[in-house]
Amino acid sequence: AQSVAQPEDQVNVAEGNPLTVKCTYSVSGNPYLFWYVQYPNRGLQFLLKYITGDNLVKGSYGFEAEFNKSQTSFHLKKPSALVSDSALYFCAVRGHTGGFKTIFGAGTRLFVKA
Amino acid sequence: EAGVVQSPRYKIIEKKQPVAFWCNPISGHNTLYWYLQNLGQGPELLIRYENEEAVDDSQLPKDRFSAERLKGVDSTLKIQPAELGDSAVYLCASSTGVGSTDTQYFGPGTRLTVL
Repeated sequence: AQSVAQPEDQVNVAEGNPLTVKCTYSVSGNPYLFWYVQYPNRGLQFLLKYITGDNLVKGSYGFEAEFNKSQTSFHLKKPSALVSDSALYFCAVRGHTGGFKTIFGAGTRLFVKA
Repeated sequence: EAGVVQSPRYKIIEKKQPVAFWCNPISGHNTLYWYLQNLGQGPELLIRYENEEAVDDSQLPKDRFSAERLKGVDSTLKIQPAELGDSAVYLCASSTGVGSTDTQYFGPGTRLTVL
């Protein structure tokens, strides 16, 4: 069965500092991996995805994520955090079984302090 | 391009009452999803449609939940009767349905409160 874990409920960073939101996954075969962001009272907004190829994926708003197959991780990163990045971030994995169902993590709340 | 539209945005009902949610996907998106999001959790799939066919409804509590997508475009999710534990956000998403790598785009959700 496929699963995804976001080990940190909350991440706190100062504005201007780099940020990392962690994600690990378990899936049979090659994974498809996604990051979404959710602002209060809003739906999930797509940030980026890894399908194949370059392990470093660049997405919206300066975010990027690094796929690491040996560590089964897909951590979200940004070189310089903004206060407006404060939101709830979800990692998701889609495998090659179970009808390509997408499984979402429980989410990590990011607080960026000015 | 218009995004996924959902209505209502908020709904408050008493337990045992019926409730319905409506979703209009992005134009041209053949695949439509209904997700349940409990507070502090990620979305969980309830049902997935490919055009008008429900291809994955294994997580839909069929004793009280029903869904339809009659013409392969708009969709309605219904709960009858609602229970206290149904209080959550109901998210609709859509995708092109072309291959397994396509991206899901989410609507703003309907926040249901059952009293």
